[in-house]
Amino acid sequence: GNSVTQMEGPVTLSEEAFLTINCTYTATGYPSLFWYVQYPGEGLQLLLKATKADDKGSNKGFEATYRKETTSFHLEKGSVQVSDSAVYFCALPLIQGAQKLVFGQGTRLTINP
Amino acid sequence: GAGVSQTPSNKVTEKGKYVELRCDPISGHTALYWYRQSLGQGPEFLIYFQGTGAADDSGLPNDRFFAVRPEGSVSTLKIQRTERGDSAVYLCASSFVATGELFFGEGSRLTVL
Repeated sequence: GNSVTQMEGPVTLSEEAFLTINCTYTATGYPSLFWYVQYPGEGLQLLLKATKADDKGSNKGFEATYRKETTSFHLEKGSVQVSDSAVYFCALPLIQGAQKLVFGQGTRLTINP
Repeated sequence: GAGVSQTPSNKVTEKGKYVELRCDPISGHTALYWYRQSLGQGPEFLIYFQGTGAADDSGLPNDRFFAVRPEGSVSTLKIQRTERGDSAVYLCASSFVATGELFFGEGSRLTVL
């Protein structure tokens, strides 16, 4: 089945720094790609997604571009805030068309004021 | 409620005991998923329901684990003869079919002593 490899954490940055969290995938075909976020004390929630190659997903100032050439879906934000402190998960369907997702191990991000 | 509700939020039990974890999905969501998340890892798929039936239970680790969704809404994950290795956070998610966006509950943390 498909798989995802995510940048290991933890990542600690100062407020207003630039953020990149790397995610690469192995997949048959071109499945949708997702970033989920888990804020402290909350359940996982969808941050953004891209459904086909070259698509850019964006939300809350975060962006990720579906790059089939490099099989990557890196998460970026130009200026992070303390409120962005959370655990971020890259994910994709386990097999093409399947409802079940396979998740990366997660990257814990801490933003210091 | 507006979101996915899971109970209990915390469960401590002894090795060998039986445990039930409950999930109340978002109203109108026909698909329901159970995932398990160990410390420092991403969620791992256990089982997926479409309506009342288990459409995919390939992630259940062994026959001690069982899940039901008798009326197509609330689901219960049942674990028999618990083992220390079952300690994890059990996540429930629901969705409309085929959107790929899962809505997660906050999880039930199971500790087996």
